[in-house]
Amino acid sequence: GESVGLHLPTLSVQEGDNSIINCAYSNSASDYFIWYKQESGKGPQFIIDIRSNMDKRQGQRVTVLLNKTVKHLSLQIAATQPGDSAVYFCAAPTSGTYKYIFGTGTRLKVLA
Amino acid sequence: NAGVTQTPKFQVLKTGQSMTLQCAQDMNHEYMSWYRQDPGMGLRLIHYSVGAGITDQGEVPNGYNVSRSTTEDFPLRLLSAAPSQTSVYFCASSYAAGADTQYFGPGTRLTVL
Repeated sequence: GESVGLHLPTLSVQEGDNSIINCAYSNSASDYFIWYKQESGKGPQFIIDIRSNMDKRQGQRVTVLLNKTVKHLSLQIAATQPGDSAVYFCAAPTSGTYKYIFGTGTRLKVLA
Repeated sequence: NAGVTQTPKFQVLKTGQSMTLQCAQDMNHEYMSWYRQDPGMGLRLIHYSVGAGITDQGEVPNGYNVSRSTTEDFPLRLLSAAPSQTSVYFCASSYAAGADTQYFGPGTRLTVL
């Protein structure tokens, strides 16, 4: 079946550095991707999304890059702050259905 | 807007008991869904609805029932609770089904003894 997965379970970065969280997907027909942030004890919170007709999309301190050739997307966080500490998920709807699948998440730890 | 609300926040059940987890949204979203989240795993879809009166199964539907009588509410029923259903449950909604942003509620932490 289709899958969406994250490369690293944990990522530690120094405060002020840039963070890059990677995600791979299996279905080349996937046309929409979302990144979520989940803080401890809370529900996932939307960060940014991207459609397959784009290679890059920028938000406030975040950028998502989509490489359809290798079926990979990444979330870049600029000038990482302690408040960025959380688990980050990528998600995508499965082809031809209304069902979303989620990766297992990468825990971002920001070191002071 | 309150967004997506869930009640209760915490619940402890004994094996075999039944209960309903409540979910409501005030954004006039057509699509609503239920997920469970277990340690070390991503969110897994239990059931979803693309509009009032329409529901369908997700990845892990066994042991759960849903109904969607109104656009606002999407309750999740556990018929006979089992320890394997110990999890955190999240409800989510989006304006449209498919390629649209889902907004999540704060979750219900359920323990089945």
